[in-house]
Amino acid sequence: DTGVSQNPRHKITKRGQNVTFRCDPISEHNRLYWYRQTLGQGPEFLTYFQNEAQLEKSRLLSDRFSAERPKGSFSTLEIQRTEQGDSAMYLCASSLERSGVGEQYFGPGTRLTVT
Amino acid sequence: RKEVEQDPGPFNVPEGATVAFNCTYSNSASQSFFWYRQDCRKEPKLLMSVYSSGNEDGRFTAQLNRASQYISLLIRDSKLSDSATYLCVVILYNTDKLIFGTGTRLQVFP
Repeated sequence: DTGVSQNPRHKITKRGQNVTFRCDPISEHNRLYWYRQTLGQGPEFLTYFQNEAQLEKSRLLSDRFSAERPKGSFSTLEIQRTEQGDSAMYLCASSLERSGVGEQYFGPGTRLTVT
Repeated sequence: RKEVEQDPGPFNVPEGATVAFNCTYSNSASQSFFWYRQDCRKEPKLLMSVYSSGNEDGRFTAQLNRASQYISLLIRDSKLSDSATYLCVVILYNTDKLIFGTGTRLQVFP
């Protein structure tokens, strides 16, 4: 399968714990995005990378959230001291720079439940 | 006020019906426009781009009215497999992030 992959698919954690999610983009894509989606809402942008550089961060991304893409390939999203409000689907997407604008390919997501 | 607004539905229509979804956006710096489709518990996928001149892809027609900041999607001859949530998406000038509406849920019944 050459699409975007995300691990784990589901994560249940207790409030206050740290969690880390991984995203592997489509191999030739140099842009990687993180979004968050809650029930009944559309995805909300969190941050994105071009290669290893983090180019934009949403104000939704509090200081408890950190994202990295150390070698310009896979990315990790870490949430420290999780809160119940962090419960959501975390979606990763990738695209080619210079592709048709808006053509982002999404992974299946990591569903986080904070108890 | 949300940047992209859609009627959440659900729209319940019989097979073969024509259904139209509307979307409004508030930021005049919006540059590019799209419809994404999201099946239940799946990831969003690009359905089609939206141009001022209007564009058609089979049974789907999308239209943009920049003056009114309004986007539409028309589905003709609805199929059961069209049942999904349709997300209106904009991209602002000089950015690359997608701004999604809440989505409109369509349920096509036999």
